Amino acid sequence: EVYLLESGGGLVQPGGSLRLSCAASRFTFSTYAMSWVRQAPGKGLEWVSTISDSGGRTYYADSVKGRFTISRDNSKNTLYLQMSSLRGEDTAVYYCAKDCVLGGSYGSDYWGQGTLVTVSS
Amino acid sequence: VVLTQSPGTLSLSPGERATLSCRASQSVTSSFLAWYQQKPGQAPRLLIYGASSRATGIPDRFSGSVSGTDFTLTISRLEPEDFAVYYCHHYGSSQRTFGQGTKLEIK
Repeated sequence: EVYLLESGGGLVQPGGSLRLSCAASRFTFSTYAMSWVRQAPGKGLEWVSTISDSGGRTYYADSVKGRFTISRDNSKNTLYLQMSSLRGEDTAVYYCAKDCVLGGSYGSDYWGQGTLVTVSS
Repeated sequence: VVLTQSPGTLSLSPGERATLSCRASQSVTSSFLAWYQQKPGQAPRLLIYGASSRATGIPDRFSGSVSGTDFTLTISRLEPEDFAVYYCHHYGSSQRTFGQGTKLEIK
């Protein structure tokens, strides 16, 4: 069974930085695109960022563009999200998700349990 | 692409049929539309991909369909474990979006 484990969340002051990690196991990590999705307390899901399997292509939501950087280390089977210039509205549970392509259709078939980021003074 | 889900909350009883709607603000390719279920304190779970294909392990009471820019998730006969929040999700070429969610609650 695929396993994704996020870490690195915590309390950070506005304007601060934080790096999230997502350790992947039990699948060939280097052959799948990966994404970060967040959920503010009591709110819906918000896509944050996606990175291609090789890491050569990255995509960001407008709300985080220029402040967050997604990356991956395929030798360590780990996905990262470097977050800087953090704001209160970045407070959320951050999930990593494994993308899949099934017969030409897209989905995210495995998700981690999430890590909570709280931005507050 | 903006996805608008309706209703915001749906109150039904076990055994009833549930119909959840997701309308896209512009034409989207069905291959890039998925549905997720999320229960409190849990990560989302993939239900439907490609607008109408069930993900692995999803019961056949769940089905998806599309008509133009209107996507529908139907649960034919509600089981107690189906009461949750449901999201549609569009996988754009460079941007992705979620609908705001429909909460399916027990009546």
